[in-house]
Amino acid sequence: DIQMTQSPSSLSASVGDRVTITCRASQGIRNDLGWYQQKPGKAPKRLIYAASSLQDGVPSRFSGSGSGTEFTLTISSLQPEDFATYYCLQHKSFPWTFGQGTKVEIK
Amino acid sequence: EVQLVQSGAEVKKPGESLKISCKGSGYSFTSYWIGWVRQMPGKGLEWMGIIYPGDSDTTYSPSFQGQVTISADKSISTAYLQWSSLKASDSAMYYCVRLFSISSCPDYWGQGTLVTLSS
Repeated sequence: DIQMTQSPSSLSASVGDRVTITCRASQGIRNDLGWYQQKPGKAPKRLIYAASSLQDGVPSRFSGSGSGTEFTLTISSLQPEDFATYYCLQHKSFPWTFGQGTKVEIK
Repeated sequence: EVQLVQSGAEVKKPGESLKISCKGSGYSFTSYWIGWVRQMPGKGLEWMGIIYPGDSDTTYSPSFQGQVTISADKSISTAYLQWSSLKASDSAMYYCVRLFSISSCPDYWGQGTLVTLSS
């Protein structure tokens, strides 16, 4: 199985901060990676697909980058509605695997 | 509007059987894959398996192979996840997701079905 190591597991940040979350794959996955946001009690929502493509309707402050084994989700200016848990997902090889999640909390 | 609507919360006893559902609408149900994802209380997301409703081609994650059965009824645009004998460890939220192809990134998610095991 491909292991996805996501870091950090949690972070505290203020509104307006730039936030970066990283996922590292145990083997190359091309750009077969998505990023999801999950708020408490809600289903996850896709933010980024193909590592760097922004989902329609998602604010442009969200961006993704990377290819191969290293991937990054960046929120350029954190907004109150962005406090949530974020997950990466590799869909290169079965079984598909998620990162452990990053909880973004208010400082 | 694309929607995946899942069946309601369930409270079951260990050893009982269960089948939960996911109804797709707003798109061609037989042209997309449906996947299932587990989220145990306070934990992360786990990929369970996928099915292509067009021909019922199914692939399971090894962790869930033999533990659950994924099926679909294309005549009513509904996918299913079922257990023949529930265990306490099956208590979780279960989500269905839509995928354009077997190698694509899931786009739409159902609202989730909470399964609670109580003896």
